[in-house]
Amino acid sequence: DQQVKQNSPSLSVQEGRISILNCDYTNSMFDYFLWYKKYPAEGPTFLISISSIKDKNEDGRFTVFLNKSAKHLSLHIVPSQPGDSAVYFCAASEVGNNDMRFGAGTRLTVKP
Amino acid sequence: DTEVTQTPKHLVMGMTNKKSLKCEQHMGHRAMYWYKQKAKKPPELMFVYSYEKLSINESVPSRFSPECPNSSLLNLHLHALQPEDSALYLCASSLPRLAGGLLSYNEQFFGPGTRLTVL
Repeated sequence: DQQVKQNSPSLSVQEGRISILNCDYTNSMFDYFLWYKKYPAEGPTFLISISSIKDKNEDGRFTVFLNKSAKHLSLHIVPSQPGDSAVYFCAASEVGNNDMRFGAGTRLTVKP
Repeated sequence: DTEVTQTPKHLVMGMTNKKSLKCEQHMGHRAMYWYKQKAKKPPELMFVYSYEKLSINESVPSRFSPECPNSSLLNLHLHALQPEDSALYLCASSLPRLAGGLLSYNEQFFGPGTRLTVL
């Protein structure tokens, strides 16, 4: 049962432009959402998170938007840089639960 | 110290071997996790320890045996593995948070992983 879905396996963006990565979820009990970035042969690195009481969280070039009614979140990277090229995983956890569910990931390629 | 360390980085073992993966963190995190990740797939949760007690076991075969000797250490003992168990094994840790009076956990910090190959 895929509770967290990333329907775009890959995304290619020109350097300096905006990258938008999307994520959908089905479990209405999720209250905490995270984005991780992963390079090959490395563990995922935490990027940014958002609590369900907010609809936006910003950290430098990275902004996460949450639409609870649509059960949708997105990660915006602006401006995109070649070093941002990696696989991005969306993840979600449920209040009272120390489990975390990952999406399948989106491979972002930022071209110089 | 703000990282999760894992040893070994690479491990090759036969199906009759016994080996152990080790994970360590000194960030005071009270939850530690083992994940398995196959190529081009998301990490799959295997085990969760919360305050040194096993709280989640995602129906993992008994040939994988976790151990949490203390709040900083997490081991994964391997015995009689199959070639399909070859994967990247990731350890993670996290701090607890209270949300609506319930204990939950913040973002997980991952180690670099152990690349396991079973021959």
